[in-house]
Amino acid sequence: QQPVQSPQAVILREGEDAVINCSSSKALYSVHWYRQKHGEAPVFLMILLKGGEQKGHEKISASFNEKKQQSSLYLTASQLSYSGTYFCGTFAGNQFYFGTGTSLTVIP
Amino acid sequence: ETGVTQSPTHLIKTRGQQVTLRCSSQSGHNTVSWYQQALGQGPQFIFQYYREEENGRGNFPPRFSGLQFPNYSSELNVNALELDDSALYLCASSDQGGGFISEQYFGPGTRLTVT
Repeated sequence: QQPVQSPQAVILREGEDAVINCSSSKALYSVHWYRQKHGEAPVFLMILLKGGEQKGHEKISASFNEKKQQSSLYLTASQLSYSGTYFCGTFAGNQFYFGTGTSLTVIP
Repeated sequence: ETGVTQSPTHLIKTRGQQVTLRCSSQSGHNTVSWYQQALGQGPQFIFQYYREEENGRGNFPPRFSGLQFPNYSSELNVNALELDDSALYLCASSDQGGGFISEQYFGPGTRLTVT
């Protein structure tokens, strides 16, 4: 039931854009997005709820397609600080599942 | 506003021993979840506590148990430690009243090494 993310890894130059996708085999009621830098704890980025409600950081945007059971995270005008591993997360049956992860590296 | 804190930061135990990890939730947060993160992997959900009761559990054996206290702080206990239990243990708090419809705020984690 672990969501599958794509791509597994991506390298960007500063200022470039990226899209990270998250796909689940189960019906989605909410999708969370977190970023984890090496050696640190995951940090909340955004949550998207069934019905269209979103909560998150102003500079981060995401979409949630309930029918396709997919979510995408959009990173625009990337900065060096965006580097890290991005995880989506979903829940089913009172369990929370982190996605397979996407390693994003932003270079000067 | 105080963030999520965990103790200890690092811990080394021997196979077969027992360990207790502690977590203080962020002020105002009533729900605590625990995760295990092996090196190079994503976090795996262990369980969640709300109103001092287990409110969901991942695929972990019964030797992983927990508690939540009236002040919403929480403990993770692991009995009969195995080498594969070596990991970073993360605690996350939220104000969602159980479930996963609100953002989770993570503590810095406890690095457990089992030898």
